[in-house]
Amino acid sequence: EVQLVESGGDVVQPGGSLRLSCAASGFTFSRYWINWVRQTPGKGLEWVASIKEDGSEKYYADAVRGRFTISRDNAKNSLYLQVNSLRVEDTAVYYCARVFNTYDYVDLWGQGTLVTVSS
Amino acid sequence: EIVLTQSPATLSLSPGERATLSCRASQSVSSYLAWYQQKPGQVPRLLIYDASKRATGIPARFSGSGSGTDFTLTISSLEPEDFAVYYCQHRTAFGGGTKVEIK
Repeated sequence: EVQLVESGGDVVQPGGSLRLSCAASGFTFSRYWINWVRQTPGKGLEWVASIKEDGSEKYYADAVRGRFTISRDNAKNSLYLQVNSLRVEDTAVYYCARVFNTYDYVDLWGQGTLVTVSS
Repeated sequence: EIVLTQSPATLSLSPGERATLSCRASQSVSSYLAWYQQKPGQVPRLLIYDASKRATGIPARFSGSGSGTDFTLTISSLEPEDFAVYYCQHRTAFGGGTKVEIK
């Protein structure tokens, strides 16, 4: 089955860190750009970060640059998001999302992992 | 930075009616715009890309149009399963969403 499965979400205090993971299966992971997209409870979608097929290019939203790091291990069909210096406003469901062409259209979403930042 | 503005925020319609959703870009995005549907408790689903191309498995009642800065998603006759939130997207920018609710 073609799927993305995220894990690693948790409740963490402001200033804390987490490592989110996304396991891909059913397709050739190394052929795709992958994005992290987040959604705050009851709110809309927000792009967080992108990584090229071979990991050589990475891009970040202004709101997370310098605090979050996207990476991948194609041998393990896995994507990661290291999130540091967490803020209350980072509370969201984090999705990994497969991009199917140059314009960041997403044709496959994981089920999401919830990050809650609260004291 | 491109900003996408969706209107209306909420659309109240009955099954069988036509739904017309709007997405306006702060600058031209040519035809590089996608639409997604998200139902409660579910992940977004790609409906339309490149402004007017239906994604795999999407019913013909969904259609997209527009170019430049003004785009429209049309649902020709609402089915009960179409009541959801719809988002437009261009690259890393998402619109704020339109909720289509049952009247």
